[in-house]
Amino acid sequence: GDSVTQMEGPVTLSEEAFLTINCTYTATGYPSLFWYVQYPGEGLQLLLKATKADDKGSNKGFEATYRKETTSFHLEKGSVQVSDSAVYFCALSPPYNFNKFYFGSGTKLNVKP
Amino acid sequence: SQTIHQWPATLVQPVGSPLSLECTVEGTSNPNLYWYRQAAGRGLQLLFYSVGIGQISSEVPQNLSASRPQDRQFILSSKKLLLSDSGFYLCAWMLRGRTEAFFGQGTRLTVV
Repeated sequence: GDSVTQMEGPVTLSEEAFLTINCTYTATGYPSLFWYVQYPGEGLQLLLKATKADDKGSNKGFEATYRKETTSFHLEKGSVQVSDSAVYFCALSPPYNFNKFYFGSGTKLNVKP
Repeated sequence: SQTIHQWPATLVQPVGSPLSLECTVEGTSNPNLYWYRQAAGRGLQLLFYSVGIGQISSEVPQNLSASRPQDRQFILSSKKLLLSDSGFYLCAWMLRGRTEAFFGQGTRLTVV
């Protein structure tokens, strides 16, 4: 079935460090791919998305590129801030049913000053 | 603007007791509605989704059920809670034909 696999956390970085959170997926066809962020004590918020192969989603300095050949959607940011500390979820919506969303297990990011 | 309300924020219930979590959406009509569970140390698991009043799709067989009595109301229920039902429950909505889901603040359920 459709699924998303994320790298396990927590990931601890110093401020201004480079961030990569790996995400790979299993799906039939071309799903839509998403990154959601969950700040402490809050619900999830959409961070960025990509709906077709080679698309790059970007928001707030974060980027992710839809790679069909490697079935990946890795999240990157060139310089993290303390305020980026949160849990990041990779997700997909399958092409046969865009009513569904499947999430990865989440990766906790801790950024130290 | 659209808003989603989910309550209660926290709940402690004994094993074997019933459960009712409610979620309502304002500012939109005919949304898709979702219930997710986030167990400790695990990711989000899709429990139920609904594309219309009375239409419920279940993703996993379990001790829970869902109902949609009104267009913007989604209820998660159980007749008898199990310890394994503990977790963080999130309600979400999405406009039909769109790809972004909007989440509520969640309910932390502890079954004791």
